Amino acid sequence: DTAVSQTPKYLVTQMGNDKSIKCEQNLGHDTMYWYKQDSKKFLKIMFSYNNKELIINETVPNRFSPKSPDKAHLNLHINSLELGDSAVYFCASSQSLGLNRSYEQYFGPGTRLTVT
Amino acid sequence: SQQGEEDPQALSIQEGENATMNCSYKTSINNLQWYRQNSGRGLVHLILIRSNEREKHSGRLRVTLDTSKKSSSLLITASRAADTASYFCATGRSGSARQLTFGSGTQLTVLP
Repeated sequence: DTAVSQTPKYLVTQMGNDKSIKCEQNLGHDTMYWYKQDSKKFLKIMFSYNNKELIINETVPNRFSPKSPDKAHLNLHINSLELGDSAVYFCASSQSLGLNRSYEQYFGPGTRLTVT
Repeated sequence: SQQGEEDPQALSIQEGENATMNCSYKTSINNLQWYRQNSGRGLVHLILIRSNEREKHSGRLRVTLDTSKKSSSLLITASRAADTASYFCATGRSGSARQLTFGSGTQLTVLP
């Protein structure tokens, strides 16, 4: 059984297009995350939702908009794609029992986005 | 700048040897976690150590944490070819532990 799934796995698109990446977790977690991993494997948090509420919003261009229809899903929509958006995007989920506690995060397989 | 930085960036060893990776960080933390990433895959959680712990074991893994030096080490004993992967440390900061900050990773290659 897949714990955290993402679709699509690969996404190739042209500059200026709008695209979405979907993420679903079946672990019953109430916190979900989006990360961006660049070509040097540096992993940076983009957003986090807790029970459908945005709790982390790092310095990310407003072309990126997360949407959480329910606590099992966190989708990422990207408008006006740019060359620099090319990266691997990971969705993750975890339990969350308070501001100052963290638990292991479960990662999806990643979506490799290539903007040409 | 990054919160966590792993050292070395790359490590190549023979099967059966031990592998040690280090992580340094800058701010006060609530906990520190280690993750593994196989090529083309997502990250997999290995171990979590809280700020009031000094050492933790899980199978062939041993993690130490020295909060006075703001550093941690991951030791993999009796390495196997299947241990070949990138290893990342991630810190949960005090007061904001839900947000993990990842280091740049160590690429470990275990030669058969």
